[in-house]
Amino acid sequence: NAGVTQTPKFRVLKTGQSMTLLCAQDMNHEYMYWYRQDPGMGLRLIHYSVGEGTTAKGEVPDGYNVSRLKKQNFLLGLESAAPSQTSVYFCASSYHPRTATYEQYFGPGTRLTVT
Amino acid sequence: KNQVEQSPQSLIILEGKNCTLQCNYTVSPFSNLRWYKQDTGRGPVSLTIMTFSENTKSNGRYTATLDADTKQSSLHITASQLSDSASYICVGLHYSGNTGKLIFGQGTTLQVKP
Repeated sequence: NAGVTQTPKFRVLKTGQSMTLLCAQDMNHEYMYWYRQDPGMGLRLIHYSVGEGTTAKGEVPDGYNVSRLKKQNFLLGLESAAPSQTSVYFCASSYHPRTATYEQYFGPGTRLTVT
Repeated sequence: KNQVEQSPQSLIILEGKNCTLQCNYTVSPFSNLRWYKQDTGRGPVSLTIMTFSENTKSNGRYTATLDADTKQSSLHITASQLSDSASYICVGLHYSGNTGKLIFGQGTTLQVKP
């Protein structure tokens, strides 16, 4: 039982390049989330998904796209990377928020640098 | 605006000492408040979850308190250990439609020195 895994762990991009971050969970969770964490700020929600085939915008969605083709995977794409997207990205998953034991489980993070 | 503010921003203590971290929140509608521990290079891990009807909850050497009237919470760490060195994040949960949204504080970085 690996929980939530993220690939890659580190990545350096040049401005304008594209990439996809992969998140996988083996807990059969319906909900999945992508956050970014910047120094001195709390985690901010980029996009989330309430089930396979669904996605929704979070607090800071601009410049990112997501897809949830399979229940266990949630992909975060950067079509044209910008230095402002230098950050640590965390994926999380959970059961339905109204369950008594609602908890978000976080992956180890991906550190992305855009030069 | 939903927000969570924490103090202090950073803290250094000696091993074996106690410390208390503070959190003020304005989250509406409020469901519960959590404290997470985030080790360097890792994702956050939940320490405690408290609803508005709970005043205190313990998890080993960690004790969280909640005052729903003043919208304040604290995390007390007893007999600190080197492994307590981490960032501690206060998080409020509110429900919005079909989702539960976590509102994160900026964290308090704790360093425990031998």
